[in-house]
Amino acid sequence: DTAVSQTPKYLVTQMGNDKSIKCEQNLGHDTMYWYKQDSKKFLKIMFSYNNKELIINETVPNRFSPKSPDKAHLNLHINSLELGDSAVYFCASSLGLAGGRGDTQYFGPGTRLTVL
Amino acid sequence: AQTVTQSQPEMSVQEAETVTLSCTYDTSESDYYLFWYKQPPSRQMILVIRQEAYKQQNATENRFSVNFQKAAKSFSLKISDSQLGDAAMYFCAYRSTLGPNKLVFGAGTILRVKS
Repeated sequence: DTAVSQTPKYLVTQMGNDKSIKCEQNLGHDTMYWYKQDSKKFLKIMFSYNNKELIINETVPNRFSPKSPDKAHLNLHINSLELGDSAVYFCASSLGLAGGRGDTQYFGPGTRLTVL
Repeated sequence: AQTVTQSQPEMSVQEAETVTLSCTYDTSESDYYLFWYKQPPSRQMILVIRQEAYKQQNATENRFSVNFQKAAKSFSLKISDSQLGDAAMYFCAYRSTLGPNKLVFGAGTILRVKS
């Protein structure tokens, strides 16, 4: 059983389109995250949600909108895609919110987004 | 803000040998967590090892161990008896115990294993 899953794994689209990436975790975790890995492999957090509530929004353009229908799902919707949005997007989850000891984040397989 | 530095863009090791990957970080906090994640060509991010700053004992996981030097803000990863399957990008990451749970990553080190 996959702990953190993402769909699709690959996404190729044209500039200006709107696309969504879905993430689901079956670990019973309360907190979920989106990270972006750029072409130089640098990883940076974008968002985190705890029990459907937005906790972290790290200066991400408004074109990116996370949506959490329930605590097991965190989707990422991107409007008006730009060339610079090409990257690998990782979903992750952890048991708790903050300050908890041993609160490790577990990552999904990533979604490679290519904007042409 | 905390920063994590991995000064070795690429390292090579012979199969069965030992290699050490370096990581330094900058923080004014006294309690935090440090992690090493592995990213093989499959792209999956896999947790290798975790260290809690309040613990003086270095963490170990089978062939993987860390050398945690809190005063020097250094957190190196030692891989013993290197195997071909260890070839990957390795990321060092920092997590504060204050504020929201988020990982701050270093730039990564590519590890190549030669047979």
